[in-house]
Amino acid sequence: DTGVSQNPRHKITKRGQNVTFRCDPISEHNRLYWYRQTLGQGPEFLTYFQNEAQLEKSRLLSDRFSAERPKGSFSTLEIQRTEQGDSAMYLCASSLALGQGSLSPLHFGNGTRLTVT
Amino acid sequence: QQPVQSPQAVILREGEDAVINCSSSKALYSVHWYRQKHGEAPVFLMILLKGGEQKGHDKISASFNEKKQQSSLYLTASQLSYSGTYFCGTAADSGYSTLTFGKGTMLLVSP
Repeated sequence: DTGVSQNPRHKITKRGQNVTFRCDPISEHNRLYWYRQTLGQGPEFLTYFQNEAQLEKSRLLSDRFSAERPKGSFSTLEIQRTEQGDSAMYLCASSLALGQGSLSPLHFGNGTRLTVT
Repeated sequence: QQPVQSPQAVILREGEDAVINCSSSKALYSVHWYRQKHGEAPVFLMILLKGGEQKGHDKISASFNEKKQQSSLYLTASQLSYSGTYFCGTAADSGYSTLTFGKGTMLLVSP
């Protein structure tokens, strides 16, 4: 178990640029989540996948955000035309959900810190 | 609906006890507890199900009061390693696939 891996650890970009983050979950986990965390706040749900299917997206998620999980393995999160308000820590988590999803612990990665200037 | 955590921050001396509460206005099925140290990922502590279950993990335990829709995390004889921010995450039913996290409670244990 090598844990959840996220790359890059830090990303600084100028407003209007596109950025892409990568998450490699624990290999046997079937669910993968993206969360966003800002200073002094808890993780905020963005979207999640079960295998390769994206099953839920937050209603708060802008159309500028898109996520993929091809082949049900790693996932990418892309933010287009970044804005200063996108500056945050983007956390990826995975879990092995068998039946009752709400009973499965989340294993978080160390996150990608995005700074939009 | 985001759960409400209290207190926002706690400062303890090593060996003292603390209680962190997590309340929801909605009926809950499960409550997760996580601890996050500065600059690190949140780490899973435990899950509680409705039914007033109490669980323990070393000197950290938790309970779930279904009537009050509240969970409490108990840290007994705190150690320096307990320092960090504690988050509760709630789920409304058994099939609910996403957690809604509170804003966190910062715990600082000093020598």
